[in-house]
Amino acid sequence: DAGVTQSPTHLIKTRGQQVTLRCSPISGHKSVSWYQQVLGQGPQFIFQYYEKEERGRGNFPDRFSARQFPNYSSELNVNALLLGDSALYLCASSLVFEQFFGPGTRLTVL
Amino acid sequence: GIQVEQSPPDLILQEGANSTLRCNFSDSVNNLQWFHQNPWGQLINLFYIPSGTKQNGRLSATTVATERYSLLYISSSQTTDSGVYFCAVDSYGGATNKLIFGTGTLLAVQP
Repeated sequence: DAGVTQSPTHLIKTRGQQVTLRCSPISGHKSVSWYQQVLGQGPQFIFQYYEKEERGRGNFPDRFSARQFPNYSSELNVNALLLGDSALYLCASSLVFEQFFGPGTRLTVL
Repeated sequence: GIQVEQSPPDLILQEGANSTLRCNFSDSVNNLQWFHQNPWGQLINLFYIPSGTKQNGRLSATTVATERYSLLYISSSQTTDSGVYFCAVDSYGGATNKLIFGTGTLLAVQP
């Protein structure tokens, strides 16, 4: 069975631009969560979606938004990019509690 | 919010040695997971272990929920075990399934 997939794998943007990251969960998983990992730190929770509804939001500005589609895939959008948004963005899916992570999208903001 | 502390922060081993990584958490949890992050950033699930003991090959883990800690044991280490090991927890209560990660243990296994 396929694991969690994310696209693109790498992305380079300039300050002020907008970016959209995509995630497809494991088949049968209805919950998708997004995390940001900056260099040298553990991942930080951004959003959780379940059945297309936002279940939780971490301590991130309103420039960050997300949505989940009827097929349970998800998009993370970041507007007005800042240099500090450079990070590895990880998507995870879950059936109940255990979360499984995708390979991540590495975003570089210049 | 719940705090997660991992120790040691760094560990250097010779191939074949054994090691123990520790994770302390500050509140009751309904989820505790151990991950290995490889050099490409992929988080690989090692154990889902909110309580009890599990073993998978050379790896085993024990969580003592009443004392709020978990241990990850690596036996007969190999160079491919190198990388960062994270403990992550989700506390009881609320509708959000949110993992709080520790700061990780950076393991280097030398041949």
